[in-house]
Amino acid sequence: DQQVKQNSPSLSVQEGRISILNCDYTNSMFDYFLWYKKYPAEGPTFLISISSIKDKNEDGRFTVFLNKSAKHLSLHIVPSQPGDSAVYFCAASQNLFSGGYNKLIFGAGTRLAVHP
Amino acid sequence: DGGITQSPKYLFRKEGQNVTLSCEQNLNHDAMYWYRQDPGQGLRLIYYSQIVNDFQKGDIAEGYSVSREKKESFPLTVTSAQKNPTAFYLCASSIRDRSTDTQYFGPGTRLTVL
Repeated sequence: DQQVKQNSPSLSVQEGRISILNCDYTNSMFDYFLWYKKYPAEGPTFLISISSIKDKNEDGRFTVFLNKSAKHLSLHIVPSQPGDSAVYFCAASQNLFSGGYNKLIFGAGTRLAVHP
Repeated sequence: DGGITQSPKYLFRKEGQNVTLSCEQNLNHDAMYWYRQDPGQGLRLIYYSQIVNDFQKGDIAEGYSVSREKKESFPLTVTSAQKNPTAFYLCASSIRDRSTDTQYFGPGTRLTVL
């Protein structure tokens, strides 16, 4: 049972426009959400995160929105650049470990292609 | 520079052989993790370790083993019992801080079983 879903396997956006990547989750106990960016044959790079006590977090061109009632979060990239072309993973955190460590549940990823 | 290193980048193995993937971090992180990524899927947790000399099974631990003898090192052994070992393996680490759940990843090792 997928607890974190990214229903769009791919997205194509023109350079300079907005990219919106979506993520849905089913477990209401998730309390922290992260977005990672991944290039082929490389490890994921942390992009931005949001705590469940917030509904928006912004960092430069990247903004993450959280709608807890809908169990939905989205990543907005404005303006989109060709270098943003990568696979984006959504992850949710559930505090299952003692001592403050947490398990990340990842979505399957969305491949973003930004074209000129 | 602080970071996580994994070696080798590419690894080939014959069926029936055990192989060990290296993961080292100099971030002074307490927790370390191993994931595998398969095409079209998210990352799945194999093993994790919160502290030296302690580790726990993740969601797909069968056919894998780990050790954590040093804080900086968390090697993963893929044994011959792993039914489908060909995958991209990622190591990650995180700090002991409940205010952030961010895990930082290494560059990965692609294992191919011939």
